[in-house]
Amino acid sequence: DVKVTQSSRYLVKRTGEKVFLECVQDMDHENMFWYRQDPGLGLRLIYFSYDVKMKEKGDIPEGYSVSREKKERFSLILESASTNQTSMYLCASSASGRVGGELFFGEGSRLTVL
Amino acid sequence: AQSVTQLGSHVSVSEGALVLLRCNYSSSVPPYLFWYVQYPNQGLQLLLKYTTGATLVKGINGFEAEFKKSETSFHLTKPSAHMSDAAEYFCAVTDYYGNNRLAFGKGNQVVVIP
Repeated sequence: DVKVTQSSRYLVKRTGEKVFLECVQDMDHENMFWYRQDPGLGLRLIYFSYDVKMKEKGDIPEGYSVSREKKERFSLILESASTNQTSMYLCASSASGRVGGELFFGEGSRLTVL
Repeated sequence: AQSVTQLGSHVSVSEGALVLLRCNYSSSVPPYLFWYVQYPNQGLQLLLKYTTGATLVKGINGFEAEFKKSETSFHLTKPSAHMSDAAEYFCAVTDYYGNNRLAFGKGNQVVVIP
């Protein structure tokens, strides 16, 4: 089975802390994504990557950065966490070259910023 | 850019009754359309998708959806609701040219009443 693993299910951080959210997939997928999920707003794309060391901004990149040094790993970084970044963060991956291919999601990381 | 509209954030349905979740999309190119389901404390999993071909698409757990280009719709149905169908459902759209970058609707929280 395809597996997308997010390193932390629940995190509590303080305002101003640097936060790393890690995501690893085991299916050799080229594409990886970070979404933010908030009640009533659905999923909004923060960043995505279609290759190692490549990244593109999504719809809400402000306050976030990403890193993809290895194909299987895609990290989301909050340089200085703020309370309005309290949310559920979902990582996903998909194979390239398969237009209309499925996204596989991790179980999510629920971040609370105090 | 593509977008999806899902109306009615919360949907209540009686056990055994029809489940109908509406999805309308906006896309300037032929769309690929998806329905995902999210059970409590889990990530999203694919219910069904439309890429090309037959416009009536069958998915897992007895769900199906019909692509209607003239109505720009992709409504999800299930003839008879089961308690296990209580979850959040998301409609999503992508375009032929994307790296499987999906735009999601705001979701429908389905409550099944015994």
